[in-house]
Amino acid sequence: RKEVEQDPGPFNVPEGATVAFNCTYSNSASQSFFWYRQDCRKEPKLLMSVYSSGNEDGRFTAQLNRASQYISLLIRDSKLSDSATYLCVVTRTGNQFYFGTGTSLTVIP
Amino acid sequence: GAVVSQHPSRVICKSGTSVKIECRSLDFQATTMFWYRQFPKQSLMLMATSNEGSKATYEQGVEKDKFLINHASLTLSTLTVTSAHPEDSSFYICSATDRVLEQYFGPGTRLTVT
Repeated sequence: RKEVEQDPGPFNVPEGATVAFNCTYSNSASQSFFWYRQDCRKEPKLLMSVYSSGNEDGRFTAQLNRASQYISLLIRDSKLSDSATYLCVVTRTGNQFYFGTGTSLTVIP
Repeated sequence: GAVVSQHPSRVICKSGTSVKIECRSLDFQATTMFWYRQFPKQSLMLMATSNEGSKATYEQGVEKDKFLINHASLTLSTLTVTSAHPEDSSFYICSATDRVLEQYFGPGTRLTVT
């Protein structure tokens, strides 16, 4: 079983829509959780960390469910500029990072 | 946020030659650096993890004699693709982490082997 699994999509949504991505992880000892954004032919960039209490940054909300071992990312009021691939990342001790395969989002005018 | 640079950003080389890619953390000391490879429309694939002053740990299926990693200081790691072949053409990305355990990615190096 993969350490981290994501639905690759693609998700094609109209501007202004709300879209949600989920990511599941297999190891209950996972410690830290992140969402990264990767634009085509560019490096991934940290979008937000995911905390147990959930966190929100503008139109983006991230949540962690340890019991069910998944993290989610909600994007409200989608913009064209949100089109990208969203990667979830899970870490364990000793600098062990595990990436999901990424979920592709295209926001359509 | 922290800055990681990579050099060169793009390189074209002939089959059989070796190519060195540098990864530097510019404003922090990186306890660990990672090297990834990404083929078109695919996710990042971790190649190896390196800690300063010790040998790199390679992922299964990655040839350590072909992809030489040197992590000489807390701010510099190099990846050398030896005897490159066209199938090594890819986007190589490094990342560095400090003790906070966030990864900071370099801008990537696009390698084309002709």
